[in-house]
Amino acid sequence: DTGVSQDPRHKITKRGQNVTFRCDPISEHNRLYWYRQTLGQGPEFLTYFQNEAQLEKSRLLSDRFSAERPKGSFSTLEIQRTEQGDSAMYLCASSLGVGEETQYFGPGTRLLVL
Amino acid sequence: GEDVEQSLFLSVREGDSSVINCTYTDSSSTYLYWYKQEPGAGLQLLTYIFSNMDMKQDQRLTVLLNKKDKHLSLRIADTQTGDSAIYFCAESRSNSNSGYALNFGKGTSLLVTP
Repeated sequence: DTGVSQDPRHKITKRGQNVTFRCDPISEHNRLYWYRQTLGQGPEFLTYFQNEAQLEKSRLLSDRFSAERPKGSFSTLEIQRTEQGDSAMYLCASSLGVGEETQYFGPGTRLLVL
Repeated sequence: GEDVEQSLFLSVREGDSSVINCTYTDSSSTYLYWYKQEPGAGLQLLTYIFSNMDMKQDQRLTVLLNKKDKHLSLRIADTQTGDSAIYFCAESRSNSNSGYALNFGKGTSLLVTP
């Protein structure tokens, strides 16, 4: 049984560098979501894919953030010119869609920007 | 966006019942979820309830929904030390753009003492 996986699990980078995270959803799940969680807070929605189409981006997703899901399977989230305020846990979730909307989360990628 | 509110901390003794409360503000919420997060980990789905239900029971877990008051609760029977974690309440509502993006509370930290 393969759940949602994310890579890397941890990333330490210097301010100004670019980072890219990968999410592999549960097989055949059509919907994929990215969330960001900062210390002491609940996750906050960033963006959503229906298959390969990115249908929604929250206002939290600045121009430095870009996400892709090129073949409707795995997704990448890139942060350019990282800032210390980008330090957070980045969570990916997927759901089957088509009436089954329960989201299953991956273990997250913890980013620390120095 | 709409706020989901939870009490931040709860302490119970092992073997007692725990009740974690949540209030939400969006009456159009379709699904309401409870997730569990252990330190440094992703979110584990515990249970969920459709908005047209009043109660759902799943082994030691009981979810109660009062739609009139927009109040959701999670009762854990016979609480064990392994139940110590942060519990998140989340609402989702259908939106053609954002799918079923989840709106989370800040989480309730449950501490179970021997």
